[in-house]
Amino acid sequence: DGGITQSPKYLFRKEGQNVTLSCEQNLNHDAMYWYRQDPGQGLRLIYYSQIVNDFQKGDIAEGYSVSREKKESFPLTVTSAQKNPTAFYLCASRVSSYNEQFFGPGTRLTVL
Amino acid sequence: KNEVEQSPQNLTAQEGEFITINCSYSVGISALHWLQQHPGGGIVSLFMLSSGKKKHGRLIATINIQEKHSSLHITASHPRDSAVYICAVRSVLDSNYQLIWGAGTKLIIKP
Repeated sequence: DGGITQSPKYLFRKEGQNVTLSCEQNLNHDAMYWYRQDPGQGLRLIYYSQIVNDFQKGDIAEGYSVSREKKESFPLTVTSAQKNPTAFYLCASRVSSYNEQFFGPGTRLTVL
Repeated sequence: KNEVEQSPQNLTAQEGEFITINCSYSVGISALHWLQQHPGGGIVSLFMLSSGKKKHGRLIATINIQEKHSSLHITASHPRDSAVYICAVRSVLDSNYQLIWGAGTKLIIKP
């Protein structure tokens, strides 16, 4: 089955710790995205990558980092510099030259 | 003011009712998306529109480019339609396929 997987579904971390969220896709999509969702707000773009070994900051990149070493994988690290990391994180991918984005199931991160 | 506004924010209706969710935007667009987010959090794409109307089962999406407005209708609503419905647009100025997102409309259908 083709799709996007995110793991884990729920993640708890202590304040001050870095944490990495996994996103894998087997759709052969070139572009991948990370969004943050907070209650009552629209999705906000953290980082995106159009091709392997290249990525750009979105609207709220501060305190986050990404890598795109493989086409299938786009992990997001939430660093201790992110002031309010507790949120729901969604990964998405898109085939080139087409608008539609496909979403993973999301990871809910809680920092204690 | 947000570039994409949805109304209402919350909507509760009885099973069988006809549902309308609205999306207004302030930018020129090349495409508008309607997506559905279930309580578990996963998001699925329902429609992508650039003009006119699309229908899939009990769902109908319309767009009026001149008025910068789109509506999502659900006919014969069912409790399984309970979800957050999200509108997102792609600006004509965008070259990176980024979307501008509405805050979503939370729909609850009571049996």
